[in-house]
Amino acid sequence: DVQMTQSPSYLAASPGESVSISCKASKSISNNLAWYQEKPGKANKLLIHSGSTLQSGTPSRFSGSGSGTDFTLTIRSLEFEDFAVYYCQQYNEYPWTFGGGTKLELK
Amino acid sequence: EVQLVETGGGLVQPGRSLKLSCVASGFTFSSYWMYWIRQAPGKGLEWVSSINTDGGSTYYPDSVKGRFTISRDNAENTVYLQMNSLRSEDTATYYCAKDAGSDWYFDFWGPGTMVTVSS
Repeated sequence: DVQMTQSPSYLAASPGESVSISCKASKSISNNLAWYQEKPGKANKLLIHSGSTLQSGTPSRFSGSGSGTDFTLTIRSLEFEDFAVYYCQQYNEYPWTFGGGTKLELK
Repeated sequence: EVQLVETGGGLVQPGRSLKLSCVASGFTFSSYWMYWIRQAPGKGLEWVSSINTDGGSTYYPDSVKGRFTISRDNAENTVYLQMNSLRSEDTATYYCAKDAGSDWYFDFWGPGTMVTVSS
């Protein structure tokens, strides 16, 4: 199975700041990576697919980069609504696997 | 508007069975692969099963293979997850998700239904 390692597990930031979340795959997954946002009481939201393609409706302050084994989700100029848990997911090969999550908290 | 609503969760004893349902609306259900994904309390996400558009192909990780069965009824816009021989480690919130249509990621998720396996 492809292991997905996210870091950091927790991240504290303030509105207006920029943050980056790393996701590393145990083997190359090309650009077959998605990022999701989890918020209490809401359905999980697809933010980015194919490593860097913004899903329709995702604000432009979100960006994704990387290919192969190393990927990054960057959020510029944080807004209050961005404080949530973020997961990466590889869909290059079965079984699809997720990173352990990064909780973005308000500083 | 795409909506996915899971039902069927609850408390079940180890070794027993439970069947989850997910009713979909807002899109042409029969044209999309569907998935079940779970999240144990305090843990990350785990993909549990996939089913193709006509139900003829299904996929599972080793952790549930042989115990869980995904199926669908395109006439009823519903996908199911039959869970047999349940174990304590199956305790989780189970989410239904829709395939994005172009690749193997999930563009819409349901709110989830909680399954607790305990005596």
